[in-house]
Amino acid sequence: GESVGLHLPTLSVQEGDNSIINCAYSNSASDYFIWYKQESGKGPQFIIDIRSNMDKRQGQRVTVLLNKTVKHLSLQIAATQPGDSAVYFCAEARYSSASKIIFGSGTRLSIRP
Amino acid sequence: DAGVIQSPRHEVTEMGQEVTLRCKPISGHDYLFWYRQTMMRGLELLIYFNNNVPIDDSGMPEDRFSAKMPNASFSTLKIQPSEPRDSAVYFCASSLYRGLTYEQYFGPGTRLTVT
Repeated sequence: GESVGLHLPTLSVQEGDNSIINCAYSNSASDYFIWYKQESGKGPQFIIDIRSNMDKRQGQRVTVLLNKTVKHLSLQIAATQPGDSAVYFCAEARYSSASKIIFGSGTRLSIRP
Repeated sequence: DAGVIQSPRHEVTEMGQEVTLRCKPISGHDYLFWYRQTMMRGLELLIYFNNNVPIDDSGMPEDRFSAKMPNASFSTLKIQPSEPRDSAVYFCASSLYRGLTYEQYFGPGTRLTVT
């Protein structure tokens, strides 16, 4: 498969529990943030995005929180399932040029049965 | 839609050889991106196109790398000559801006090994 086995920080969560994945971004000028999920052997998949005029955005079982003061982003996954096992990347961009996004280093989410 | 299609899925070549990676974006998408993923550097944007025109190639590592998009349904990334440090997974992605989100759709990637 097409994944690279990155030596990433790992979050281990019990199936059914909530997961919280954190990310610190670097550019104060960034005003658009995205979370991607990469399963083993696949390309990244868009999960949810948020613009800097919001602090919170919810999707299906996922919530993204943005704290611009400390340049921190988090992804919360409710009732974690085995299918949530993947590497999660946060990414940042300027919304005016949001085609060019900068990916973070990623966090591996591992689900315990 | 079949999604973004990349070929080949795996490529093994010897140092000094030319390598050509191919991508077919999702029909109707007007942006196309080439990324490289390695253990050391993570996921890096190499170049992106809008309406077949290269917009930003600042991520292309050096002159050995070139990318073209002759039409809306096809793009290539060429490495000539290839070097062992080019070994990585190369992803192509496409997107269509719909006014609110810049969701990019990634292909399955091409794993390149240069020996």
